[in-house]
Amino acid sequence: GIQVEQSPPDLILQEGANSTLRCNFSDSVNNLQWFHQNPWGQLINLFYIPSGTKQNGRLSATTVATERYSLLYISSSQTTDSGVYFCAVERSGDDKIIFGKGTRLHILP
Amino acid sequence: KAGVTQTPRYLIKTRGQQVTLSCSPISGHRSVSWYQQTPGQGLQFLFEYFSETQRNKGNFPGRFSGRQFSNSRSEMNVSTLELGDSALYLCASSPEMVLARTPEQFFGPGTRLTVL
Repeated sequence: GIQVEQSPPDLILQEGANSTLRCNFSDSVNNLQWFHQNPWGQLINLFYIPSGTKQNGRLSATTVATERYSLLYISSSQTTDSGVYFCAVERSGDDKIIFGKGTRLHILP
Repeated sequence: KAGVTQTPRYLIKTRGQQVTLSCSPISGHRSVSWYQQTPGQGLQFLFEYFSETQRNKGNFPGRFSGRQFSNSRSEMNVSTLELGDSALYLCASSPEMVLARTPEQFFGPGTRLTVL
């Protein structure tokens, strides 16, 4: 099956710093989503981005489908950005969504 | 619009028992998917229902089953519980599309199941 690898697995930053999270996938995908899971377990959909670039406030994401990777950028980090960020893909011709292992982000005040 | 709701939020069961979890999707959404999240295995796809029919199933044993009702509400059932079934069970709904299922998923808060 398709492999989804996220890096780094853990990231600790000071409030105000910028960060880049990466998601690599091993096969062509129909879609790619980024999620944030807060400390209470709630998964929030950040971006649906099978290709191209999108921005939402301090967050932006870029997917280069031909090179099979996606990046999530967080600028001017805040403590509320802490949590786990997941990348999830759906392989072309398959209806199952596969999650990466996530990047755990700690923003220190 | 109300979000995805899941009940109960917390559940404690003993080995060998069975459990039923419920998920109410966002109004108008017809697709409901279920996921299991554990520290060891991460987030894993269980199954998806669309218009009361199971469309896909992940690699889980037959003890895990589900169904969807005509109002799109879904239930999942786990029989003969094992210790390893302790997990956060997440439900997600997707909006209806004319040609294909929209892949954007909206998650509920989850049901945390503990098996003793």
